[in-house]
Amino acid sequence: DTEVTQTPKHLVMGMTNKKSLKCEQHMGHRAMYWYKQKAKKPPELMFVYSYEKLSINESVPSRFSPECPNSSLLNLHLHALQPEDSALYLCASSQEVFGEQYFGPGTRLTVT
Amino acid sequence: AQSVTQLDSHVSVSEGTPVLLRCNYSSSYSPSLFWYVQHPNKGLQLLLKYTSAATLVKGINGFEAEFKKSETSFHLTKPSAHMSDAAEYFCVVSPASNTGKLIFGQGTTLQVKP
Repeated sequence: DTEVTQTPKHLVMGMTNKKSLKCEQHMGHRAMYWYKQKAKKPPELMFVYSYEKLSINESVPSRFSPECPNSSLLNLHLHALQPEDSALYLCASSQEVFGEQYFGPGTRLTVT
Repeated sequence: AQSVTQLDSHVSVSEGTPVLLRCNYSSSYSPSLFWYVQHPNKGLQLLLKYTSAATLVKGINGFEAEFKKSETSFHLTKPSAHMSDAAEYFCVVSPASNTGKLIFGQGTTLQVKP
């Protein structure tokens, strides 16, 4: 099973709201990732977790806060977002921090 | 520095005709290479991967790609296009730095006409 699940599928939030995105995998992968994807563009890496520790933060604004509660779960906490943060947010996982990554279906986020 | 160039931003084919999506890479070593497909409003699905074994790689849904070191290319092909192949395709390099940072091409939109 190479499935990564993400919830919710769609999210609309105001600029003062606090919300969270959730990602889950049960493949025993030790690396997990958050990406942001704008229309007609490739995904942009935001964060990398390896063995539940944050290993890469691609200079992401602090209004995005990742969390890895355990080896199967990855959260992205959102607060005080801007309209330009509207995008498809993708989660991915891989066996280790190299090789192919398996992507979830994404959360379509709209900030109003 | 590694880079990936997808030579066509848009490819249009008729159903039942061959598909060719072109990808060139730049790397000082033999990299791992992947092709991913993304259907509208979906996540990315791994089509195939090259990891220094056979140079001709077979993937899912009838796709295959050939790694040519001399040409630094990794083109994706399919003998006969199906309507369901219409999607965005990304050529991706995995550097040897083992950080998890993939390098994506800009993508090729495949249109399949009936």
